[in-house]
Amino acid sequence: DQQVKQNSPSLSVQEGRISILNCDYTNSMFDYFLWYKKYPAEGPTFLISISSIKDKNEDGRFTVFLNKSAKHLSLHIVPSQPGDSAVYFCAASGLGNTPLVFGKGTRLSVIA
Amino acid sequence: DSGVTQTPKHLITATGQRVTLRCSPRSGDLSVYWYQQSLDQGLQFLIQYYNGEERAKGNILERFSAQQFPDLHSELNLSSLELGDSALYFCASSPSERPNTGELFFGEGSRLTVL
Repeated sequence: DQQVKQNSPSLSVQEGRISILNCDYTNSMFDYFLWYKKYPAEGPTFLISISSIKDKNEDGRFTVFLNKSAKHLSLHIVPSQPGDSAVYFCAASGLGNTPLVFGKGTRLSVIA
Repeated sequence: DSGVTQTPKHLITATGQRVTLRCSPRSGDLSVYWYQQSLDQGLQFLIQYYNGEERAKGNILERFSAQQFPDLHSELNLSSLELGDSALYFCASSPSERPNTGELFFGEGSRLTVL
């Protein structure tokens, strides 16, 4: 059973527009959430994170929103650039000695 | 460059064989994690070591084993290989003992193809 779900396998956005990537989770014990970005032939790299005590975290063009009641988080990229084209993984972790649980990823294509 | 080194980058082998994947963590990181990414799947956590000791275990098959050596590099051993073991195997490191804090630094992965 997938605890972290990214229901959109792919997303295509025009350069300059907003990209919104969504992630849902089922485990209410998750209290820390991260987004990773992965380019082809490279490992995932950390992008941004959010703790469950917050509902928003911003870093430049990237903002993550957390809706705990809906068990939903989203990553907003504004404005989108062609270099943002990559696979984005949502990840979550909880208390104790539990490892990060990753979603299947969403492939973002930013079209110039 | 994350600072995490994985070898080999690509490996092709036959069913029933055994392979060893190697990982050198970032300088100073004591934790090493292994993840498996199969086709159309997310990153599946296999196992974590911290300073030579196993810290957390995921859905790692009994045919798979891992260890972390005194110099902190880690090896993932996959034996009696099956076609379904074909995947990208990532190693990641972090300075933290707890697997659920902070970011992980991933290597480029080792792509295993079992024919």
